[in-house]
Amino acid sequence: QKEVEQDPGPLSVPEGAIVSLNCTYSNSAFQYFMWYRQYSRKGPELLMYTYSSGNKEDGRFTAQVDKSSKYISLFIRDSQPSDSATYLCAMRRSGGSNYKLTFGKGTLLTVNP
Amino acid sequence: DVKVTQSSRYLVKRTGEKVFLECVQDMDHENMFWYRQDPGLGLRLIYFSYDVKMKEKGDIPEGYSVSREKKERFSLILESASTNQTSMYLCASALVDLEFFGPGTRLTVL
Repeated sequence: QKEVEQDPGPLSVPEGAIVSLNCTYSNSAFQYFMWYRQYSRKGPELLMYTYSSGNKEDGRFTAQVDKSSKYISLFIRDSQPSDSATYLCAMRRSGGSNYKLTFGKGTLLTVNP
Repeated sequence: DVKVTQSSRYLVKRTGEKVFLECVQDMDHENMFWYRQDPGLGLRLIYFSYDVKMKEKGDIPEGYSVSREKKERFSLILESASTNQTSMYLCASALVDLEFFGPGTRLTVL
């Protein structure tokens, strides 16, 4: 079983839709969870960051972590064409020198005007 | 704002050439990383560094080496480029938990 699984999509939605992006993971030691957004031919940019379980909201974006189910989600409300990108989940363990992130393979999202 | 810059956006090299990819960060971060990104395979870690002159192998180090002589600069070296090293190369630097990426270098090896 891969450490992090992410549905590659592609996902196509109309403008204004609510988008749900998800990752599952197998390593219960993961404590830090991130979502990156990557536009075509650009580097990933950090979008959301959550420590342990719970929700975090930033404008139209909400990140959820359910450690009991080993499941993380990113919700985008009122989606815009400018949200069209690949979304990568990432996670890592805490403590020590374990700074390596484990990434999902990314979900390609298209928001149609 | 964190700024991570990479020396080239696009690079074309020939098989057997020695290739240098440079990465510079301006935030005094301890940790720096080199990844490659390929369709269907996602991001794969090549090498990382926790400090000057320190380096550790990632998941796919074969065919690559790195150099970190100064804290702000992390170089990836392809000793003898091969066609299977055609890829998007991404550098990142990290303040403890959060990694910030550069714009990427798309390398084509002919």
